[in-house]
Amino acid sequence: GENVEQHPSTLSVQEGDSAVIKCTYSDSASNYFPWYKQELGKGPQLIIDIRSNVGEKKDQRIAVTLNKTAKHFSLHITETQPEDSAVYFCAARPRGAQKLVFGQGTRLTINP
Amino acid sequence: DTAVSQTPKYLVTQMGNDKSIKCEQNLGHDTMYWYKQDSKKFLKIMFSYNNKELIINETVPNRFSPKSPDKAHLNLHINSLELGDSAVYFCASSPYSLGGYGYTFGSGTRLTVV
Repeated sequence: GENVEQHPSTLSVQEGDSAVIKCTYSDSASNYFPWYKQELGKGPQLIIDIRSNVGEKKDQRIAVTLNKTAKHFSLHITETQPEDSAVYFCAARPRGAQKLVFGQGTRLTINP
Repeated sequence: DTAVSQTPKYLVTQMGNDKSIKCEQNLGHDTMYWYKQDSKKFLKIMFSYNNKELIINETVPNRFSPKSPDKAHLNLHINSLELGDSAVYFCASSPYSLGGYGYTFGSGTRLTVV
């Protein structure tokens, strides 16, 4: 079955700098790749997603890139702010499977 | 208006007890899920229902039994609770009948078994 690896497990950046989180997946037929943000005591919240027929997608300060050949995708956050501090999860939807498989999560800390 | 609501938010109980967690979504979504988040934050799927029909049942002990009375509700009943069941349980829903897209999560139920 699908396996999603996420790196790094923790990331600390200065406010205003950029943060990048990377994920690799094992099933080349996976066709949907969302990113979720989980704040303390809350459920994960969808922040951006990308489908397999698109290479890049941007929404204000966040962007996701997908490299299908290498089977990896990345989350880019620019001009980081303290409210970006949270745990971020990547996920992949294997084709034909009605579920998401999640990465292990990255705890992002923005230092003022 | 909460989109996906879970009750209770916290649940502390003794080993061997039976407990239930309830989930309701008011988004009109077709598919609902239960995920378990362990102490290391790993999210693992347990069950999925599409319009009251069970479509995913991962390797979960028989002590866990989901029930979906209608497509807006998905409950989780756990028998004979064990220490290892302690975790945060998340309900989620998806708008597509094929499932796996655009999840909306509830705020979670933190289960502690003592």
